Amino acid sequence: GAVVSQHPSWVICKSGTSVKIECRSLDFQATTMFWYRQFPKQSLMLMATSNEGSKATYEQGVEKDKFLINHASLTLSTLTVTSAHPEDSSFYICSAAGTTFHTGELFFGEGSRLTVL
Amino acid sequence: DAKTTQPPSMDCAEGRAANLPCNHSTISGNEYVYWYRQIHSQGPQYIIHGLKNNETNEMASLIITEDRKSSTLILPHATLRDTAVYYCIVSENQGGKLIFGQGTELSVKP
Repeated sequence: GAVVSQHPSWVICKSGTSVKIECRSLDFQATTMFWYRQFPKQSLMLMATSNEGSKATYEQGVEKDKFLINHASLTLSTLTVTSAHPEDSSFYICSAAGTTFHTGELFFGEGSRLTVL
Repeated sequence: DAKTTQPPSMDCAEGRAANLPCNHSTISGNEYVYWYRQIHSQGPQYIIHGLKNNETNEMASLIITEDRKSSTLILPHATLRDTAVYYCIVSENQGGKLIFGQGTELSVKP
């Protein structure tokens, strides 16, 4: 299947700093990417939908100024957690939908674990 | 999107079939049933999806009831590596956003 890669896999940062997470589709063009957050022992929570070349659509309750999403190309979307605080520590996962897929399959990255001290 | 109901956990003996149920009684006519699984600390992995007919691929079989209000994911010969959280999701968009419920934590035991 198609490959979606996230970087970094894990990151530790100090409170108040900003962290950028990259999501790349390695072998297909992703017109739409989705960002999820997952706390321990909980399910994935959709944060936002990212469309190439346009502003992201955020789910209710997700602060768009806190979680900046950029989808500048068909293979890259970035999530920046601004002024991170310990409560932002979580597992962040992206997924991508391709332009040519008709199977309904959504490809997920390996996830990025953020720890804010 | 319609909501789904799954048992929180299930056990299965290695080598036996694992049958994971899902209720989606409010599913609408154009909504698909998707199954994904998540092995600990990894991103979810697509398993299978269907609309009305039963589906089978190299990983699993999906049985959808005639009224489409419930479905069962079948792993024919479960292995230890199938231990994961299995999510049943209904969505009308192929390749669109998916809203995850709590899923079923399947433990395959030797």
